[in-house]
Amino acid sequence: EAGVAQSPRYKIIEKRQSVAFWCNPISGHATLYWYQQILGQGPKLLIQFQNNGVVDDSQLPKDRFSAERLKGVDSTLKIQPAKLEDSAVYLCASSFAGPPANTQYFGPGTRLTVL
Amino acid sequence: AQSVAQPEDQVNVAEGNPLTVKCTYSVSGNPYLFWYVQYPNRGLQFLLKYITGDNLVKGSYGFEAEFNKSQTSFHLKKPSALVSDSALYFCAVRARDDKIIFGKGTRLHILP
Repeated sequence: EAGVAQSPRYKIIEKRQSVAFWCNPISGHATLYWYQQILGQGPKLLIQFQNNGVVDDSQLPKDRFSAERLKGVDSTLKIQPAKLEDSAVYLCASSFAGPPANTQYFGPGTRLTVL
Repeated sequence: AQSVAQPEDQVNVAEGNPLTVKCTYSVSGNPYLFWYVQYPNRGLQFLLKYITGDNLVKGSYGFEAEFNKSQTSFHLKKPSALVSDSALYFCAVRARDDKIIFGKGTRLHILP
């Protein structure tokens, strides 16, 4: 079974530039998550989708971050404009829909460096 | 509000010895508890989870964890450590109607 795919794996940008990350979840997983993992910390949920609808985006900095999941499969996360403090690993995860105890499966992440 | 704590930034264990990585949590209602492992430049890999039932949960790679409701703990254990177990370990908790919260992680070093 193919895992969660993410691209690019690494990205270096200047502050105030924009950047986009792509995620393709495991086939059949209706729920998709984007996390931000700052060095030395655990992952923090940014946004959760159920199919193509947003379930939770309470921790998404909406003035600069946006995400979409058109057609309920692939998803993109965008930052515009980027700040130095956005340097982190952005993880995408997916799970079957349903109970909150469902296991989340993570992609390899995109490491963003903002200079 | 729910929270999870991993009190140790790093744990060092000699190969072949038993290991324990500690986790305590705070949540309203019954918790769902998870352990994940992260190797360098990789995403998180699921190890095990507690939903309900038997307090001792067995997972991947010989790991197990014990749910202790009175102490609100979910410590990760393995009877005999391998050098390949060296990695970053994350505990996570989720209440029924809330998002999953991850601890800050514990770096496990297994010494040959």
